[in-house]
Amino acid sequence: KQEVTQIPAALSVPEGENLVLNCSFTDSAIYNLQWFRQDPGKGLTSLLLIQSSQREQTSGRLNASLDKSSGRSTLYIAASQPGDSATYLCAVLLYSGAGSYQLTFGKGTKLSVIP
Amino acid sequence: GAVVSQHPSWVICKSGTSVKIECRSLDFQATTMFWYRQFPKQSLMLMATSNEGSKATYEQGVEKDKFLINHASLTLSTLTVTSAHPEDSSFYICSAHTSAGWHEQYFGPGTRLTVT
Repeated sequence: KQEVTQIPAALSVPEGENLVLNCSFTDSAIYNLQWFRQDPGKGLTSLLLIQSSQREQTSGRLNASLDKSSGRSTLYIAASQPGDSATYLCAVLLYSGAGSYQLTFGKGTKLSVIP
Repeated sequence: GAVVSQHPSWVICKSGTSVKIECRSLDFQATTMFWYRQFPKQSLMLMATSNEGSKATYEQGVEKDKFLINHASLTLSTLTVTSAHPEDSSFYICSAHTSAGWHEQYFGPGTRLTVT
C-alpha cells in the first residue's frame, strides 16, 4: 500500500526566505506526482505536476523535483511571501490496473510566512 | 486549466435526512471521479472511486449503503449521504481524472456539510 509522508508538518519562516518542503513515498512505481495548495476551508489548487519520467517542473517561484528511485520529491519556494501561507499537499498517482488509477495524499505541510 | 464544480458549496441539514452533492467536470470528460472527505486539520481521505456507467469502488471502512455514488455521465458524479448524522459533518471534495494528457486530477472546490 502506497504511503506518502510530508516533512515538516508545519513550518514558519520570515518573508523573503527560500524554503523547501519534502515529500516521500513508499512505492516508486508512480505514474505522476502532484503538489497542491489548500487554503483554510477551501478546495485544492494544483501547483505542479511531475510525470514519472521527469525530474523537475517549474512555475514562477515554485520548483518541484522528483527522484522516483529514492521515493522523494521536494517543493522549493523562492522568496516566500505572506500570501504563500497555506497547507501544501503532495500526492502520488498509481496505476492500479484495469484502467484504474489511485491518488494518495500526504498529510500536508502547513506553511506560515511571517511579514 | 480544466474546471470541476461542486454543488452545493455548503449545506446544513438535520440528522436523519439525506444530502446530495454534485460534482461536474465543466470542460472535459472525466473517465474517473474520486470522492474524498477531509476532517479539520487532517489530510484528504479517499472514500470511493467511480467510473462512468459502473459501480463505485469504495475504500475499506466506507459504507457504500450510506454514501451512495452515481456516476451517470462523463461529466457528472453525485454523492448522496443517506440518513446523515453529526459525525458525517465534514468537507467533501471530488476530483475528476481524464485518461487524456498527463492524467492530471482536477479538484472541485469542496462542499462543507454540517449535520445538526
